[in-house]
Amino acid sequence: GNSVTQMEGPVTLSEEAFLTINCTYTATGYPSLFWYVQYPGEGLQLLLKATKADDKGSNKGFEATYRKETTSFHLEKGSVQVSDSAVYFCALSPNASGGSYIPTFGRGTSLIVHP
Amino acid sequence: NAGVTQTPKFQVLKTGQSMTLQCAQDMNHNSMYWYRQDPGMGLRLIYYSASEGTTDKGEVPNGYNVSRLNKREFSLRLESAAPSQTSVYFCASNTDSSNQPQHFGDGTRLSIL
Repeated sequence: GNSVTQMEGPVTLSEEAFLTINCTYTATGYPSLFWYVQYPGEGLQLLLKATKADDKGSNKGFEATYRKETTSFHLEKGSVQVSDSAVYFCALSPNASGGSYIPTFGRGTSLIVHP
Repeated sequence: NAGVTQTPKFQVLKTGQSMTLQCAQDMNHNSMYWYRQDPGMGLRLIYYSASEGTTDKGEVPNGYNVSRLNKREFSLRLESAAPSQTSVYFCASNTDSSNQPQHFGDGTRLSIL
């Protein structure tokens, strides 16, 4: 079956540090890949996505590149802010015709940014 | 545009009580989902509905029932609540396409004593 593996947290950084959160996946075919962010007390919201190999998703200074050869979709940001403190989820959606496109989520990585 | 709306936001129950969590979406999505989120466990799928009138079990369906009342609404029922069902419950919806994200509600925080 499909699976998503994320690095365990929490990841603790100082403001303006470089961020990487690793994500690797196992899936058949060519899934779409997503990063979601969850702020305290809220639901998950889409941060960025990539739908085919070598695509780069980007939003709010975050980037991730769909690497088919390494089955990875690592999240990066050049300079984090305190407001980026949240839990980040990597997810895949299978590329299946018919039926429901049930996604598979990683377990989430908590990011804590100190001033 | 409200997106996905869940009610209630908080609830405390006693063991053995029943309750229904409500979810509604206004994006005309076919697919709707119920998840629970527990510390260290990520999101676990309880039930999903690919279209009005259909429901299917997810990873952790025991102790729950669902109803897809119409295209907009998908409810989750706990018939006899147990302490192990203390969790944060999220409803989500999306279109029938692999490259579209899920849209989540803000969650229902449920405590069972």
